[in-house]
Amino acid sequence: DGGITQSPKYLFRKEGQNVTLSCEQNLNHDAMYWYRQDPGQGLRLIYYSQIVNDFQKGDIAEGYSVSREKKESFPLTVTSAQKNPTAFYLCASSAGSYQETQYFGPGTRLLVL
Amino acid sequence: KNQVEQSPQSLIILEGKNCTLQCNYTVSPFSNLRWYKQDTGRGPVSLTIMTFSENTKSNGRYTATLDADTKQSSLHITASQLSDSASYICVVSGQSFQKLVFGTGTRLLVSP
Repeated sequence: DGGITQSPKYLFRKEGQNVTLSCEQNLNHDAMYWYRQDPGQGLRLIYYSQIVNDFQKGDIAEGYSVSREKKESFPLTVTSAQKNPTAFYLCASSAGSYQETQYFGPGTRLLVL
Repeated sequence: KNQVEQSPQSLIILEGKNCTLQCNYTVSPFSNLRWYKQDTGRGPVSLTIMTFSENTKSNGRYTATLDADTKQSSLHITASQLSDSASYICVVSGQSFQKLVFGTGTRLLVSP
């Protein structure tokens, strides 16, 4: 898992509730990413950030929001607009370019009550 | 459409045996191809990365090959161990952050 931590390991969301997943890295990486993993599907990109105070939507950004106020932190908020949030969420970071290897955190499993 | 297809979906082998996993892709233009190992409930860990000009890369008992002409890659595992039981994911990178395409993975079970 390198120097990337995610918390919590498990998260339960009630209907209509916003929840925030934490991602912290101490690798001094510029770029950070959020992916969603569902059974039988490849990882799908939610948001990515190449530099502090800047981030871009990925393929499935609807219902999610992020912030990048510090280089080492990239929290993901799953809003009530995300109607099917149950999934395994993975945060990753890389030195910068998309060509660099991405290092993944241990993941957060989000479940809906 | 940019796609990465892996086969087989799942595989069971006896401890000590070798196996080969396949990855076919249509991502274009191509930048690099990576193989990741993902243990159940954990994040993926990088095994190998290959660019267009490389056709083989080893990491211990793992050897990846790349044929950029046919857009195929394979991951060969030698003398399998119980700890090799995991999902193996092929990831192909295009020319931008948006062009990183993940395969659905091959789930390998090494049986004693």
